[in-house]
Amino acid sequence: KAGVTQTPRYLIKTRGQQVTLSCSPISGHRSVSWYQQTPGQGLQFLFEYFSETQRNKGNFPGRFSGRQFSNSRSEMNVSTLELGDSALYLCASRPGPGNTEAFFGQGTRLTVV
Amino acid sequence: QQQVKQSPQSLIVQKGGISIINCAYENTAFDYFPWYQQFPGKGPALLIAIRPDVSEKKEGRFTISFNKSAKQFSLHIMDSQPGDSATYFCAASMPGGTASKLTFGTGTRLQVTL
Repeated sequence: KAGVTQTPRYLIKTRGQQVTLSCSPISGHRSVSWYQQTPGQGLQFLFEYFSETQRNKGNFPGRFSGRQFSNSRSEMNVSTLELGDSALYLCASRPGPGNTEAFFGQGTRLTVV
Repeated sequence: QQQVKQSPQSLIVQKGGISIINCAYENTAFDYFPWYQQFPGKGPALLIAIRPDVSEKKEGRFTISFNKSAKQFSLHIMDSQPGDSATYFCAASMPGGTASKLTFGTGTRLQVTL
């Protein structure tokens, strides 16, 4: 069974630009969560999608948004990039909502210059 | 109150020794406590998880000890191996609609020396 696939693996963007990251969950998994990982703040929850609906949201500004498609693939978008948005963005998939095991992808390393 | 406090920040253990990482939480509504292992350049991988209705769970060399009254839980790695050198994160989540949100500790960088 293929794992969680995140693309691209690496990105370099300029301040003010926007970026879209993609996540394909494990086949059959319908819940996708996004996390931001930085050395200073650690792992922080961004949002979760299930059945194309955002079910939960972390404390991030509105510049961070996401969506989920009918095939459970998810994208997150960051607009008006700031230097502080440089981070590893991780996607986790679960079979469904609830306290089930979350499987993480390898992440997308975003660098804002 | 959603904090999960993790210690130590870093840990050096000799091969064959026991590695112990501790976490403490504040929110008594948390009911799921996983531990994740992360190697450089990789995403976190679930090692072992526990719920508050048990005090200990063991899987191979990895054991979680859980103290509900103290609101603390710890990871014990027995017979630590160089391949265990990684960063370990404890986490917690609540039931129901907010269960998707894992609140992570700050991580412990473990180095197992020969």
